[in-house]
Amino acid sequence: AQKVTQAQTEISVVEKEDVTLDCVYETRDTTYYLFWYKQPPSGELVFLIRRNSFDEQNEISGRYSWNFQKSTSSFNFTITASQVVDSAVYFCALSEAYNNNDMRFGAGTRLTVKP
Amino acid sequence: DTEVTQTPKHLVMGMTNKKSLKCEQHMGHRAMYWYKQKAKKPPELMFVYSYEKLSINESVPSRFSPECPNSSLLNLHLHALQPEDSALYLCASSPRTSGTYEQYFGPGTRLTVT
Repeated sequence: AQKVTQAQTEISVVEKEDVTLDCVYETRDTTYYLFWYKQPPSGELVFLIRRNSFDEQNEISGRYSWNFQKSTSSFNFTITASQVVDSAVYFCALSEAYNNNDMRFGAGTRLTVKP
Repeated sequence: DTEVTQTPKHLVMGMTNKKSLKCEQHMGHRAMYWYKQKAKKPPELMFVYSYEKLSINESVPSRFSPECPNSSLLNLHLHALQPEDSALYLCASSPRTSGTYEQYFGPGTRLTVT
């Protein structure tokens, strides 16, 4: 079964600092999908990005960027110039290709951005 | 419109009550999901519906009974719950049950069992 590890339980930064959230995964499948979700205090999980196992290109979206490295089974997320509104719990998740989208989440990293 | 709605937002119920949670999406998605999330924990998958048929039941106790009356609606019927069932219940949908697709989540129902 697939497994996702987010070793950082909590991170606290000051506004405008860059911060990287780590995600390490385990799977036996060659085809799989990796996700990042944001959960603000309101509770709703907000989809940020999906990556498939055959696409190792890094992605940038505004202040967000993702680094996918199959060699180290990692899918790290960097926020550049963090803002207070980035404060949330961030979950990394993994879904294997043919398992009914049984998405497994990591434990989450709580990010606090202080003004 | 990438919106999944859930009602009610909050629910307090006694252990002998029967209540239902409701989830709705109008994105034409054919896969719908129920998750349970305890405080400071990640969401845990409970049920998956694909084309209105139950395809995954993650060994959930029978006091939770899901129902998918049509492709837009998903219900979770609750009966004889225990205090440890208090949690945030999240509904999600995706176009199909394939990891190719991201899941879109509703705001959740915060359930308290007294």
